[in-house]
Amino acid sequence: DAEITQSPRHKITETGRQVTLACHQTWNHNNMFWYRQDLGHGLRLIHYSYGVQDTNKGEVSDGYSVSRSNTEDLPLTLESAASSQTSVYFCASSESWDEQFFGPGTRLTVL
Amino acid sequence: TQLLEQSPQFLSIQEGENLTVYCNSSSVFSSLQWYRQEPGEGPVLLVTVVTGGEVKKLKRLTFQFGDARKDSSLHITAAQPGDTGLYLCAGEGNYGQNFVFGPGTRLSVLP
Repeated sequence: DAEITQSPRHKITETGRQVTLACHQTWNHNNMFWYRQDLGHGLRLIHYSYGVQDTNKGEVSDGYSVSRSNTEDLPLTLESAASSQTSVYFCASSESWDEQFFGPGTRLTVL
Repeated sequence: TQLLEQSPQFLSIQEGENLTVYCNSSSVFSSLQWYRQEPGEGPVLLVTVVTGGEVKKLKRLTFQFGDARKDSSLHITAAQPGDTGLYLCAGEGNYGQNFVFGPGTRLSVLP
């Protein structure tokens, strides 16, 4: 069965370190998304991609970057982790904006 | 940025009761989606509504899109403990951009 996976599921890091969160989907979807979820804010879009070599900034992109070298993967990099980036991160994929399939999430703690 | 508000923020009811949760905006949306998220998992799409006034039913769940496409409601009949979770609405703006999620309604159905 097609699926979308994220790794690691939990990560603890220190302020200033570079962190990369992995997202892999086997749906063969062109669109992929990264969100963060915080209490009181719901899901906020960080970056999204419509296909290989395409990346776009979302609502809260500062301090984050993504690259899309193939259809299946969209890794999210925190260049210099900050405590404000402690959150739960969700990756999603879809053929259109209105039917997104979400991964299980990565809980990131920045100390 | 088009914002979505959801009410109530929290709802705790007894098994067998009916309930309605709301999703509102001052902006017009081309479509609205409802997702359910269980603890430790990513959101799962329940339904998409596209046409103003549209009503969709999914077993005991009834979804309605407002005539002006600015609001939506989710009604659950005879709630069960399995309905417990975070209910999120999400919408795509009229021009295909600014896809946003509401903050969610956290529902607890007690046996």
